[in-house]
Amino acid sequence: RKEVEQDPGPFNVPEGATVAFNCTYSNSASQSFFWYRQDCRKEPKLLMSVYSSGNEDGRFTAQLNRASQYISLLIRDSKLSDSATYLCVVNRNSGYALNFGKGTSLLVTP
Amino acid sequence: DTGVSQDPRHKITKRGQNVTFRCDPISEHNRLYWYRQTLGQGPEFLTYFQNEAQLEKSRLLSDRFSAERPKGSFSTLEIQRTEQGDSAMYLCASSLSSSKQYFGPGTRLTVT
Repeated sequence: RKEVEQDPGPFNVPEGATVAFNCTYSNSASQSFFWYRQDCRKEPKLLMSVYSSGNEDGRFTAQLNRASQYISLLIRDSKLSDSATYLCVVNRNSGYALNFGKGTSLLVTP
Repeated sequence: DTGVSQDPRHKITKRGQNVTFRCDPISEHNRLYWYRQTLGQGPEFLTYFQNEAQLEKSRLLSDRFSAERPKGSFSTLEIQRTEQGDSAMYLCASSLSSSKQYFGPGTRLTVT
């Protein structure tokens, strides 16, 4: 079993829709949690860190449930430019290797 | 541009040849990481350095792979006797201690 599991999608949504991605992780010792965004044939870029209290950055909201080992990302009012692959990422200790899920593909259509 | 840089961006090689990739981290970042990404997968950790010391290696890093960071600045990743299964995107990232990791554009390797 992979350490980080994500639904690969693809998710096809119209502009303006709300879309949610889920992720589970297997290592209960994981300490840091992130969502990265990766455009086609580009490098991953940090979208946001994820905290137990939940956090929001504009149209993006991330949640962490440590008891269930579950992470989510909600995108409201989807834009065409949100089309990308969203990678769920955990690491055992800050500064160590990042463990990536396979990514969830999102396509926002006009 | 003061981000992470990687060279070359693309490499096509024949099976059995050796290849070497270079990564230049963000200036003053003391940690440097190598990852490999194949189509449809997320990046997979290969190894990481703190300054010049290689502190962790993944089981993915077979004997044919070697990485160095001789002066704690740039790093090289060498693959000897390349196989078709080595075809992938090789990503380098750097960080300042425990802060977030910044990725370079990657080196895309194709082994024919």
